[in-house]
Amino acid sequence: QSVLTQPPSVSAAPGQKVTISCSGSSSNIGDNSASWYQQLPGTAPKLLIYDNDDLPSGTPDRFSGSKSGTSATLGITGLQTGDEAVYHCGAWDSVLSVWVFGGGTKLTVL
Amino acid sequence: EVQLVESGGGLVQPGGSLRLSCAVSGFTFSLYEMNWVRQAPGKGLEWVSFIDTTGSTIYYADSVKGRFTISRDDAKNSLYLQMNSLRAEDTAVYYCARVGSVPAAESMDVWGQGTTVTVSS
Repeated sequence: QSVLTQPPSVSAAPGQKVTISCSGSSSNIGDNSASWYQQLPGTAPKLLIYDNDDLPSGTPDRFSGSKSGTSATLGITGLQTGDEAVYHCGAWDSVLSVWVFGGGTKLTVL
Repeated sequence: EVQLVESGGGLVQPGGSLRLSCAVSGFTFSLYEMNWVRQAPGKGLEWVSFIDTTGSTIYYADSVKGRFTISRDDAKNSLYLQMNSLRAEDTAVYYCARVGSVPAAESMDVWGQGTTVTVSS
């Protein structure tokens, strides 16, 4: 049981947009920044979004992040087949002094 | 090129021990906090342990507290995870991950390729 809650899967057609939610609590997302990680099949996770909505160099601007209260959202527009991956959200929990992650969301581009 | 390379994984019997290493290159290791994160087969990411730049602040997940020990050797540009009293539920790919610097200080901005630990008799 992950501390952060994500939908197990989402799907959309190429060219469409999709959003992935990440629900936490006041001690993690509510008090700290959310980050998102993309894990392509058979590879290690890669930082996609940091500080709720900032993109590291190399992340296409088709990806976006937002935060409201104790939840964070990852948005992807102009979906490509290469975006098929598992997306994980993460945050620091100030009360527990632990990093927490969601269970991961598998994106399928139909 | 910034790089993290884990090693030390393998097959171990329940109750056994392993020491994982993470060799870093391409950045000044002593300036960065580090984490170990694991992923059981078919599961999500699970944070395991954190160490700050001096080694004086260390945190563990409850699931490994008292059994795992994180450490670092800045002279060798290496991060370690000593794992004792291993259980079947410790079976996973173990990643080392760098904590980003401001403004990305609440994220893990570089990850290794992972090393596989299998605990089985």
